Amino acid sequence: ELKVEQNPLFLSMQEGKNYTIYCNYSTTSDRLYWYRQDPGKSLESLFVLLSNGAVKQEGRLMASLDTKARLSTLHITAAVHDLSATYFCAGGNNDMRFGAGTRLTVKP
Amino acid sequence: DAGITQSPRYKITETGRQVTLMCHQTWSHSYMFWYRQDLGHGLRLIYYSAAADITDKGEVPDGYVVSRSKTENFPLTLESATRSQTSVYFCASSVIGAPYEQYFGPGTRLTVT
Repeated sequence: ELKVEQNPLFLSMQEGKNYTIYCNYSTTSDRLYWYRQDPGKSLESLFVLLSNGAVKQEGRLMASLDTKARLSTLHITAAVHDLSATYFCAGGNNDMRFGAGTRLTVKP
Repeated sequence: DAGITQSPRYKITETGRQVTLMCHQTWSHSYMFWYRQDLGHGLRLIYYSAAADITDKGEVPDGYVVSRSKTENFPLTLESATRSQTSVYFCASSVIGAPYEQYFGPGTRLTVT
């Protein structure tokens, strides 16, 4: 059974700084997803990574996948307040497993 | 373009009552999913469906029943609600194949007293 672990669970950053969220998973997964959730809201899809070495970027966020290490990263570049949210990674096929989430707070 | 909707958005029920949460999507997506979200657990899959009349258990199916008679609807029923089922429930849908993205509904906040 696939298990997904994220770290850190809480992250407080200053604006303008860079940081990385890590997502480790326990068994082979064909896909790795990253989602964003604002407080009291639904989940918004950020990235779907399908193959080893895949890298996707959108604005200040960049996600990568290393299937050999069973590791995905979400890198935040020059953080801004608007990036404050909870970020989830998830793996699997249709029977998807989510990490516990990383609550990111970006402070001025 | 309604997308994916859930009803009710908020529900309070008593222990032992039956309650049904509705999910409707207008995209004709083949796959539909039900998740629950609890603090510290992220999201956990309850059931999913690949097409009308095809359903499969997810990670936490006990205490829940689903059906899918039409492609666009995927109701979730708690046959005898318990306090441990107090949660936020999200429905999602996706197409078959790439890009494999799941699109989430707005959620239903259920409280069992």
